[in-house]
Amino acid sequence: AQKITQTQPGMFVQEKEAVTLDCTYDTSDPSYGLFWYKQPSSGEMIFLIYQGSYDQQNATEGRYSLNFQKARKSANLVISASQLGDSAMYFCAMLGVTGANSKLTFGKGITLSVRP
Amino acid sequence: EPEVTQTPSHQVTQMGQEVILRCVPISNHLYFYWYRQILGQKVEFLVSFYNNEISEKSEIFDDQFSVERPDGSNFTLKIRSTKLEDSAMYFCASSEDFGQSGYTFGSGTRLTVV
Repeated sequence: AQKITQTQPGMFVQEKEAVTLDCTYDTSDPSYGLFWYKQPSSGEMIFLIYQGSYDQQNATEGRYSLNFQKARKSANLVISASQLGDSAMYFCAMLGVTGANSKLTFGKGITLSVRP
Repeated sequence: EPEVTQTPSHQVTQMGQEVILRCVPISNHLYFYWYRQILGQKVEFLVSFYNNEISEKSEIFDDQFSVERPDGSNFTLKIRSTKLEDSAMYFCASSEDFGQSGYTFGSGTRLTVV
């Protein structure tokens, strides 16, 4: 079974500063993928970044980067130069593939508030 | 950029009524999914669909739920007899492959059962 753990309470960051959102995972699968999604108050799920378990380099997408530490089973999201629009709920999720099936297992999320 | 479209965005229904949530996945995607998020809780997998049949379903997806791809574009989730605990945000998602290239989620349907 796959498990995603996000234990941080609500996070606060000053505008223009960097923030790290923690995610640890557990799986027995040799191949897996890790996603981060942003969910603003309007409710939609916005894809931010993806890291494959065999990727040699940490993923980056603009201001988002993923600090992937495979041995520690962690996949923390780093947001640089925070903006007010970054205030939202952030979910870490793991992709599991078995045969022809795939599904995402989500963590419970972290609320980020960016202060002006 | 291609997107997954869900309708309606909000639905209020009486307990015991049937509801159909609709989704139009991205046209070249082959894998389709429904997820559910009860207010304030994490997102949960309901069902995956490939090649016109269910490929996997969770224990949440009981006999009250069904999915269908009635034509080449729509993907629907039906709840036959809604219960209060079915109140949640329902997300449709699609992917081109097993998901490595990314899932695209729709903006969700907020279902309220009264």
